[in-house]
Amino acid sequence: DVVMTQSPLSLPVTLGQPASISCRSSQSLVYSDGNTYLNWFQQRPGQSPRRLIYKVSNRDSGVPDRFSGSGSGTDFTLKISRVEAEDVGVYYCMQGTHWVRAFGQGTKLEIK
Amino acid sequence: QVQLVQSGAEVKKPGASVKVSCKASGYTFTSYGISWVRQAPGQGLEWMGWISAYNGNTNYAQKLQGRVTMTTDTSTSTAYMELRSLRSDDTAVYYCARDNGYSSSLADYWGQGTLVTVSS
Repeated sequence: DVVMTQSPLSLPVTLGQPASISCRSSQSLVYSDGNTYLNWFQQRPGQSPRRLIYKVSNRDSGVPDRFSGSGSGTDFTLKISRVEAEDVGVYYCMQGTHWVRAFGQGTKLEIK
Repeated sequence: QVQLVQSGAEVKKPGASVKVSCKASGYTFTSYGISWVRQAPGQGLEWMGWISAYNGNTNYAQKLQGRVTMTTDTSTSTAYMELRSLRSDDTAVYYCARDNGYSSSLADYWGQGTLVTVSS
C-alpha cells in the first residue's frame, strides 16, 4: 500500500507569515489517465475535515486564494501565503490514485 | 446543496457490532461512491473503505477485512457502515465522505461524524 509522509508534524507560525507543508508518497501518484489524485484537507478543532485542494493544485470553491498546492509524482506541497487565525487546525494530504486511499499523519498548524 | 447527515453517537460493549448510517441529499446518489474514514481520539484520519452507490462494489482496508461491511440503500440515498467484533481501539469518530474515485469529486463533501465509543 502507498504510504503518505507529511512534514513537519507541528508548525508554529506567526500571523501574517507564510507556511508550507510537505507531503511525500511512497509511490508515484500519477494515474493512467494522466491526472494526479492528491488532495489536501483542513480539519479545524471539533469539525469534520474540509477539502481545500484537489488534484494537486485546484482550490475548492470558497477556499481563500492564500492556499495553494503544487508538486508532482511523489512530492507535494501545500502553501499558505499569509497565515490567519482561522487557519489553525490540522492539515492532511490524501492520495486517491491507488485503490487503497491513504492519508498523511497530519500537520498541526498553530499560531506562535 | 450536497449534504451527508450521519446517525447519532453510539456506545457499545466489546464484541458487539455497530451500524452507522449516512444519508445523502442534494445530488444523484447512485452517481457517486462513499468512503468511510475514522479518527481515534487525538489521532489522524484512517481510511476504512469505499462503496459504489451505483453497483455496490466495495473496497475495504486490509486491516478491517472480515469485520467491516459497507452497504447502500438507493431507495433512501443512504450508505451504511457496519463494524463487528468491536474492540476498545475501535473507539473513534466515523465519517462518511462522497467519493467518486478518479474525478474532482474525491472526498469533496463530508458528514458531521458519528462518535462510536467501545467500553465495557
